[in-house]
Amino acid sequence: SQQGEEDPQALSIQEGENATMNCSYKTSINNLQWYRQNSGRGLVHLILIRSNEREKHSGRLRVTLDTSKKSSSLLITASRAADTASYFCATDPAGDYKLSFGAGTTVTVRA
Amino acid sequence: GAVVSQHPSRVICKSGTSVKIECRSLDFQATTMFWYRQFPKKSLMLMATSNEGSKATYEQGVEKDKFLINHASLTLSTLTVTSAHPEDSSFYICSAETVSSYEQYFGPGTRLTVT
Repeated sequence: SQQGEEDPQALSIQEGENATMNCSYKTSINNLQWYRQNSGRGLVHLILIRSNEREKHSGRLRVTLDTSKKSSSLLITASRAADTASYFCATDPAGDYKLSFGAGTTVTVRA
Repeated sequence: GAVVSQHPSRVICKSGTSVKIECRSLDFQATTMFWYRQFPKKSLMLMATSNEGSKATYEQGVEKDKFLINHASLTLSTLTVTSAHPEDSSFYICSAETVSSYEQYFGPGTRLTVT
């Protein structure tokens, strides 16, 4: 079943601006992952944050995790046109090996 | 490393025919593979989990006789959509989990169109 919910559903920004999207989930998790999907393509793994971590960085990406609020955020700094894609969070509920995906945030970066 | 391929990338078939989609882990062994379905502008919905050498576990609401899954080896899983209908048209994505970790690697997806 779908556990994650992303907010906003869509985001349009100018190149160079930052993009922030949020993900909320319902049950306890082992970890939370963020993926990117370009239109009509498969998923690209961006970053995994474990339940005992609060923040993680990878290049221009910054992910936070607040297990008390059951939420995570993905920040893309200095966005580029190539960042245009849909972004999904996926949770790995504690005790369940299956990933549950959120509805996704569609990000459009205008040149 | 950790590359997953899917074949075909696109397929168009006539209503009533069957279509087989292959998912391969190219450079690692995958004890578990997952099959997802994605409708336009929607999230991925897990259809089934397949483990090498055993029967697949289907999610609630997914017809196992309609979507046949075979995980014949540690590098290959196939999904066969039997007696396809236009409502089966969708984007099907597989993922593979490595033996050593629980990280999933996704294939590029297969676009199925049933006419």
